[in-house]
Amino acid sequence: GAVVSQHPSRVICKSGTSVKIECRSLDFQATTMFWYRQFPKQSLMLMATSNEGSKATYEQGVEKDKFLINHASLTLSTLTVTSAHPEDSSFYICSATLAEDNEQFFGPGTRLTVL
Amino acid sequence: AQSVTQPDIHITVSEGASLELRCNYSYGATPYLFWYVQSPGQGLQLLLKYFSGDTLVQGIKGFEAEFKRSQSSFNLRKPSVHWSDAAEYFCAVGLNDMRFGAGTRLTVKP
Repeated sequence: GAVVSQHPSRVICKSGTSVKIECRSLDFQATTMFWYRQFPKQSLMLMATSNEGSKATYEQGVEKDKFLINHASLTLSTLTVTSAHPEDSSFYICSATLAEDNEQFFGPGTRLTVL
Repeated sequence: AQSVTQPDIHITVSEGASLELRCNYSYGATPYLFWYVQSPGQGLQLLLKYFSGDTLVQGIKGFEAEFKRSQSSFNLRKPSVHWSDAAEYFCAVGLNDMRFGAGTRLTVKP
């Protein structure tokens, strides 16, 4: 149980385009979903926390207009990278939690490459 | 603010040798502690976690970790390393506000 999926697993796009990444909790309803970013050979950095039906909470330094998060249902959160640039190339990982103060279950990640 | 420190960026051990990966944390209250493993280009796999109770925690793949409150440490150990253990290991603290250490890359020599 507690499986989280991400789609796509890899995406290559041209500079200036927008890319949407989906995060789904497959066998449970997630009250909260998290989005992380990981640069090569570095650790995971929390970008934002999203709760179903409310606006996401972004970490300091993360541009909310660039990284749009929509948590439309208890099983789906999307991250849209708007007007992507090469510096946005990274590994994006989502996670989901069953309830507040519960452990997070991580998705397999999405590799974004912006040309 | 909570934080996690993994002092060793890269560790090399011989196959069959024992392993200890260090993790020190800073946390305001009772810490929720985790160890994850990540293979290249892959997501995170949970090895083990500590919430409360027995301070020696057993995980998957033969790993264990010991929570030492007095030292603010949660070191990961394995008595005999296999070549397939080569990967990046992350220590993390917290639940809703999870913070990750910088990671330790493990290389296993044949």
